[in-house]
Amino acid sequence: AQKITQTQPGMFVQEKEAVTLDCTYDTSDPSYGLFWYKQPSSGEMIFLIYQGSYDQQNATEGRYSLNFQKARKSANLVISASQLGDSAMYFCAMREGNTGGFKTIFGAGTRLFVKA
Amino acid sequence: KAGVTQTPRYLIKTRGQQVTLSCSPISGHRSVSWYQQTPGQGLQFLFEYFSETQRNKGNFPGRFSGRQFSNSRSEMNVSTLELGDSALYLCASWPGGLGTSNEQFFGPGTRLTVL
Repeated sequence: AQKITQTQPGMFVQEKEAVTLDCTYDTSDPSYGLFWYKQPSSGEMIFLIYQGSYDQQNATEGRYSLNFQKARKSANLVISASQLGDSAMYFCAMREGNTGGFKTIFGAGTRLFVKA
Repeated sequence: KAGVTQTPRYLIKTRGQQVTLSCSPISGHRSVSWYQQTPGQGLQFLFEYFSETQRNKGNFPGRFSGRQFSNSRSEMNVSTLELGDSALYLCASWPGGLGTSNEQFFGPGTRLTVL
């Protein structure tokens, strides 16, 4: 069965330092996509980064990079140079399926606290 | 380009009533998915619509239904509301087809409170 695991309920990081948020997944489908979203206290889900299962290079978007290790089924998010505004809930998600239907499942989330 | 919009943003209903939530996807996006977010269960997939057809459905009772219109706007309906239906309902859109962009964007959500 599809599963996303985020083992860190909460994380603290000093402002301007880098932080890694862990995510492991389980699927038997060879084609899938991995996402990271940020959810501030306002509730809106903000798209951060996407990695396809066939992508050879790790995805990067500004200060965000996804450390994709396919054999280990891990898709960790790295945030460089943390800012106070990065304090939020972070969700790892996986979408799999085909033209017959897609489904995205989410991990439980990691709450990141950035300290000044 | 406008983002995903959801209306209303907040709703208060009583048990037994029904509710309809609306989602307008990003222009050009044909897939709309709905999710329920609660503190206890986290984010759970409700259903996905593509070109007016439900392509996939999560494990929710039949009280939860939806539809998609020809302009890709989607509505979600919950009948006979229960206290446990109180949640943030999020919709997300993406182009939906193979070979298209894979980025999936969410709306701001509708916060439903059932009293």
